[in-house]
Amino acid sequence: EVQLVESGGGLVQPGGSLRLSCAASGFTFSNYWMTWVRQAPGKGLEWVANIKEDGSEEQYVDAVKGRFIISRDNANNSLYLEMNSLRVENTAVYYCARIGGRGYSFAPIDYWGQGTLVTVSS
Amino acid sequence: QPVLTQSSSASASLGSSVKLTCTLSSGHSIDVIAWHQQQPGKAPRYLMKVESSGRHNKGSGVPDRFSGSSSGADRYLTISNLQSEDEADYYCETWDRNSRVFGGGTRLTVL
Repeated sequence: EVQLVESGGGLVQPGGSLRLSCAASGFTFSNYWMTWVRQAPGKGLEWVANIKEDGSEEQYVDAVKGRFIISRDNANNSLYLEMNSLRVENTAVYYCARIGGRGYSFAPIDYWGQGTLVTVSS
Repeated sequence: QPVLTQSSSASASLGSSVKLTCTLSSGHSIDVIAWHQQQPGKAPRYLMKVESSGRHNKGSGVPDRFSGSSSGADRYLTISNLQSEDEADYYCETWDRNSRVFGGGTRLTVL
């Protein structure tokens, strides 16, 4: 059974940093692109970042470029999102998700984690 | 980059059928999309992928009541024999070489 379990969310002041983690199990993690998607309170889903299966390519939504870094540790089946210079508008539930095409990114998200809440407030 | 347009809300009676629409922007009418369901207070769940031909591939455990179809730039999610647990937000998703995009979501109310 595919499982994605996020952790690391919490309350942080504007300008602060936070690192989210996602522990993956139930599939060969190193064979799949992975992604982070967020959802602000009462709003819809917004894609944040993708990372290739070997970590050699990263993609970001313009709103987080230069502030957020997606990374992965295939030896430990883990995905990360380093968030810096956080803003109030970054407050959201952040979901870790698997992109379903084995070895390529042209595929839908086929599994989601349960999400972790990040609150940016003074 | 494609844009996906969804109606903000829909409603239908228990036991009836409903058809939700996701419209692809100009120049992307042949693109593949996916449908995701988000029940209140829960994480999203992948339902299916829908191609421009109308062919659809459902995720694991998705009931037969859920089906997908297509017409031009429109991609549809049809839910038959509506149940109370189908009351949820439904999002469509697509992707290109450098990004992923979601529609604004449709909130389905089961009457």
